[in-house]
Amino acid sequence: DAGVTQSPTHLIKTRGQHVTLRCSPISGHKSVSWYQQVLGQGPQFIFQYYEKEERGRGNFPDRFSARQFPNYSSELNVNALLLGDSALYLCASSYRAMLINEQFFGPGTRLTVL
Amino acid sequence: AQSVTQLGSHVSVSEGALVLLRCNYSSSVPPYLFWYVQYPNQGLQLLLKYTTGATLVKGINGFEAEFKKSETSFHLTKPSAHMSDAAEYFCAVSLSGGSYIPTFGRGTSLIVHP
Repeated sequence: DAGVTQSPTHLIKTRGQHVTLRCSPISGHKSVSWYQQVLGQGPQFIFQYYEKEERGRGNFPDRFSARQFPNYSSELNVNALLLGDSALYLCASSYRAMLINEQFFGPGTRLTVL
Repeated sequence: AQSVTQLGSHVSVSEGALVLLRCNYSSSVPPYLFWYVQYPNQGLQLLLKYTTGATLVKGINGFEAEFKKSETSFHLTKPSAHMSDAAEYFCAVSLSGGSYIPTFGRGTSLIVHP
């Protein structure tokens, strides 16, 4: 079975632009979570979606939004990009809503904001 | 609220030597604790987890960790380092009775010398 997939692998944007990152969970997994990993730091939780509903939100501004589709894939959108948004964005999927125990991470999307 | 402190941003060992990566946590309720490994340009892979029960937890690739409540620690060890163990290691904590959203440490880079 395929693992969690994310696209694109790398992305370069300029300040003020908008970006959309995509994630496909493991087949059968209904929960998708997004994390931001700034260089030299651990991942920081952004959102969790389960059965197309938002189940958790981290301490991120409203410029960050996400949604989950009927096939359980997910998009993370970031508006009005800032230099500080440059990071590795990780997606993780799990079968249940609980974030522990069963998360499987994708390889991430490396976003560079110039 | 919960937090994680990983002592030492870099740990250097010789191949065959003991690996010890330190993690201390702060949690208002009984914690769930995790160690993840991240290889370059990849997502996170779960090494091991503690939820309840036995305090000595064995994981993949020969790693183990011991939950010590009195010391609020969850240090990761491996008796004999391999070159392939060189990677970034993250300790994470989540609350057993809350939203389960994990908080990650800043990571420890393990360097293995031949």
